[in-house]
Amino acid sequence: LAKTTQPISMDSYEGQEVNITCSHNNIATNDYITWYQQFPSQGPRFIIQGYKTKVTNEVASLFIPADRKSSTLSLPRVSLSDTAVYYCLVGDQYTGRRALTFGSGTRLQVQP
Amino acid sequence: DAMVIQNPRYQVTQFGKPVTLSCSQTLNHNVMYWYQQKSSQAPKLLFHYYDKDFNNEADTPDNFQSRRPNTSFCFLDIRSPGLGDAAMYLCATSRGGGLASAYEQYFGPGTRLTVT
Repeated sequence: LAKTTQPISMDSYEGQEVNITCSHNNIATNDYITWYQQFPSQGPRFIIQGYKTKVTNEVASLFIPADRKSSTLSLPRVSLSDTAVYYCLVGDQYTGRRALTFGSGTRLQVQP
Repeated sequence: DAMVIQNPRYQVTQFGKPVTLSCSQTLNHNVMYWYQQKSSQAPKLLFHYYDKDFNNEADTPDNFQSRRPNTSFCFLDIRSPGLGDAAMYLCATSRGGGLASAYEQYFGPGTRLTVT
């Protein structure tokens, strides 16, 4: 099972770009990288998913280097409402499990 | 809008009194999951259904059971709740097919369970 490591917490200010990096050194060949956002007292929300290079959607960008041992979630021009916990997850292709194993996540605090 | 619905949002039960939490979905997804999330911790998978096939996590206590009578509904039964079972219980769904789709899950708002 690919283990992920990400910072416990980050602070930012409104309008800034935030980059959260996740390390996943033992990612398997067919694993996907997925990021979720969770607000207090709500279920996690899917943000973005990628396999390699760069993926962008209306919410964020995901940068994945060629070796795929890390990934970076980029949130452009954050606002107070982006204050949440962000989870990086790597698929468990090796065992074929469909389940998600959440790591500890990164608590992002956006200040005015 | 298609969604995952959990009822009730808040549930209070007594120690040892069976309780059932419900989840319904309008997404027509093949897979439904139940997670437990305790305060300041990450969600932890309890079990999931792929269609009618039940998949239990190895460390899920026997006290937790699940039923999926049809595609749309899934229930979490806690047979004898203990104080340690107080948590947020999250239901999620995903499409069937490849594993990439498995990792794009849609979560409900959760049911917060209090055990007195």
